[in-house]
Amino acid sequence: SQKIEQNSEALNIQEGKTATLTCNYTNYSPAYLQWYRQDPGRGPVFLLLIRENEKEKRKERLKVTFDTTLKQSLFHITASQPADSATYLCALDIGYQKVTFGTGTKLQVIP
Amino acid sequence: DARVTQTPRHKVTEMGQEVTMRCQPILGHNTVFWYRQTMMQGLELLAYFRNRAPLDDSGMPKDRFSAEMPDATLATLKIQPSEPRDSAVYFCASGSPRSGAAYNEQFFGPGTRLTVL
Repeated sequence: SQKIEQNSEALNIQEGKTATLTCNYTNYSPAYLQWYRQDPGRGPVFLLLIRENEKEKRKERLKVTFDTTLKQSLFHITASQPADSATYLCALDIGYQKVTFGTGTKLQVIP
Repeated sequence: DARVTQTPRHKVTEMGQEVTMRCQPILGHNTVFWYRQTMMQGLELLAYFRNRAPLDDSGMPKDRFSAEMPDATLATLKIQPSEPRDSAVYFCASGSPRSGAAYNEQFFGPGTRLTVL
């Protein structure tokens, strides 16, 4: 079955720096890969989706890359702010909207 | 604005009791998902429906869990009998795949925090 690995350790960065989160997967490459943000006590919120034939996708301060050779996606937040502090989940979509989620990486942006 | 709603938000029960969780998907969404989240396992897909028909419930322990969609505005997840290991946050999400588009985002509800003593 598909296995997804995200940095299990929390990531602490200084405000204004770029945060980079990693999502690695095994086995087959998904049709799409999604990133979600989850705040404590709340459900995940969709951020970005990238298709297998796309190398990069951007949305405001967010950038996602997708390397099907390395079986890896990188999620970048530029000019990070304390409000970006949350847990970020990657999810592999194998089609028909069925997704498998990683366990998430907790990001802490320090003022 | 449109949201997925879940009830109850919190539930504390004793082992052996029946638990029913309810979800109202966003109006017009035709796909509904049930997830369970724990610290150890993360977010696990239990079951999902499209146009009210169950498509996949392979993530659900069949002997005690059941999921249904009595109508397009209500999805239920039932545990009978409940066990302490069922303690988790249960999320419902809905979505509406757009034909020919790569847009498959899911909209999550606030979750039901279940504690089984």
